[in-house]
Amino acid sequence: DGGITQSPKYLFRKEGQNVTLSCEQNLNHDAMYWYRQDPGQGLRLIYYSQIVNDFQKGDIAEGYSVSREKKESFPLTVTSAQKNPTAFYLCASSIEKGQHEKLFFGSGTQLSVL
Amino acid sequence: DAKTTQPTSMDCAEGRAANLPCNHSTISGNEYVYWYRQIHSQGPQYIIHGLKNNETNEMASLIITEDRKSSTLILPHATLRDTAVYYCIVYQTGANNLFFGTGTRLTVIP
Repeated sequence: DGGITQSPKYLFRKEGQNVTLSCEQNLNHDAMYWYRQDPGQGLRLIYYSQIVNDFQKGDIAEGYSVSREKKESFPLTVTSAQKNPTAFYLCASSIEKGQHEKLFFGSGTQLSVL
Repeated sequence: DAKTTQPTSMDCAEGRAANLPCNHSTISGNEYVYWYRQIHSQGPQYIIHGLKNNETNEMASLIITEDRKSSTLILPHATLRDTAVYYCIVYQTGANNLFFGTGTRLTVIP
């Protein structure tokens, strides 16, 4: 089955530690996205990538980094500079670059700080 | 960024139609109305979208008023599995981001 796989489902971070969240898709989609969701809130865009080896900052990119070395993969690193990393992180993809409206989402990663 | 207004929460009896309203009075001519839903602890799921005509698919119907200032998502026979947060989004093709607000929390009651 085609889809988006996020791992791990739950992740814990120690103070001062960088952690990387995985996102893989086998939908052959060009565009991929990372969103953050806090309890009871909507989604906020962290980074997006419309094509391999290219990515753009979203609304809340500070303290995060990404890479897009392969079409299928768009990992998100939460760095120690992100002072409030506890949140639900969602990865998504869409068929064409520039066509952001019909997004396919993964099942999310819950990140917590120890 | 918020271009839509939705009620915070709604209840619906199982088997009944669920009608979820959305106001988007500042919508422009080239902006679409999209609906997504998010079941607890999962990623959002696309439901339906429209520009000015009413739309129907296997999941729901979308009714857009003639002036396009509001719309209603209709789940014709709500089930317990339809309990979720429903997001109404106004989107212009080519824009960089879908803005997900806080949506409407629909609870389907047995």
